[in-house]
Parts: sequence; C-alpha cells; structure tokens
Amino acid sequence: GENVEQHPSTLSVQEGDSAVIKCTYSDSASNYFPWYKQELGKGPQLIIDIRSNVGEKKDQRIAVTLNKTAKHFSLHITETQPEDSAVYFCAASPGGFKTIFGAGTRLFVKA
Amino acid sequence: ETGVTQTPRHLVMGMTNKKSLKCEQHLGHNAMYWYKQSAKKPLELMFVYNFKEQTENNSVPSRFSPECPNSSHLFLHLHTLQPEDSALYLCASSQDSQAYGYTFGSGTRLTVV
Repeated sequence: GENVEQHPSTLSVQEGDSAVIKCTYSDSASNYFPWYKQELGKGPQLIIDIRSNVGEKKDQRIAVTLNKTAKHFSLHITETQPEDSAVYFCAASPGGFKTIFGAGTRLFVKA
Repeated sequence: ETGVTQTPRHLVMGMTNKKSLKCEQHLGHNAMYWYKQSAKKPLELMFVYNFKEQTENNSVPSRFSPECPNSSHLFLHLHTLQPEDSALYLCASSQDSQAYGYTFGSGTRLTVV
C-alpha cells in the first residue's frame, strides 16, 4: 500500500540551531503535504502545508520544501527554541481523507 | 482548545466492559474522523463521516462501532476490547471529506486491562 517514510525518528538540537525533518512518499497522485506538531497531552496541530504546484513555502521560522520528481519533502525549523520541542508528523494526500501520515519525529531542543 | 473536544481524556476499561468515546466540534465542519495513534507508528485512519454518512471503514474490527448523530458530534462505542487496542484515539474534523488539513482533538488515552 501507499506509505510515507519519515526521518529521523528522534532529533536533538541545541537552542538556536536549525532542525530538518525529511519525508518520502510513494503515491505519485499526492498533491498536498501538511506538517503537524503534537505537543505532550495534545492532538496534532497543523503548522504548515504545501501543495504540489509550489516548491517552497515559508512561515516565520518554519519552511517546507517539496521535490515532486524525487517524491521528497522536508520541514526546516530555524533558530529553534525550547517550545519547538514536540513530535512532528508529515503527511501526503491526493485529496481528502486519503491522507497518509509518517511515523513522526520527536524533536528535543536543548536550552 | 482547537475547536474539537474529546471526552473522556483518559479511560481504563476491562476487556468485558462497554464504553463510549465522545467528540464534539463547533467549527461548522461537515466531515469527522476517528484515528488510532499507537507509539512510534503512523496515525491509522479508522472511520470517516461526511455530512453524517459513513464513507470509510478502514477494516476496523466490529468491536469498534462509530455513531454520528449530526455533523457536530461523533461517538466511538467500544465493547470486548483487547489489550492491543490500548492507544490514543484521536477525533478530527475538516470542512468536508475532500478538504485538505484537519483539526484534531486532544484525544482519549485508552488502556484496556
């Protein structure tokens, strides 16, 4: 079946450094790529998304890049802060409920 | 609060019990979902409701029974569960089932003993 691979599973960075999380998807029909942040005791929250007609999107300290040819997309967080510590999930969707999630990356930002 | 409220937050039940999980949203969304989240695994879609009609049952065992009385409320009825059903159960909503991007609730942490 279709799947999304996410790496790394755990990432530890020093406060102020950058963090990069990478995902690869298999369904070539995917055209929407959201990223969710899940803090302890909460549900996942959509933080940024990108559609297949765009190669890069930025929102303050976070950015996503998409390489549709290689079926890769990445989340970049710059100037990390302790409150960025959470589990991050990537996902790929051809539309609607056919959304496939990655297994998640636990990010630790050390003060 | 995200606009999607789930109760209870925590639930411990025996394998012979019957319990229900509740989800409520007042975002004006027409699609609601149940997901299962287990440690170190991707989110697993269980059920999809669009305009109160079930449109997807992702091969979920019959011991899980969903109910959607209206577009704002979603229930998951549980009976004769197994210990491997212990997980975080997340409810989500979106404008409709073809919409992009979900709003998730905080989940119900279920432990089956």
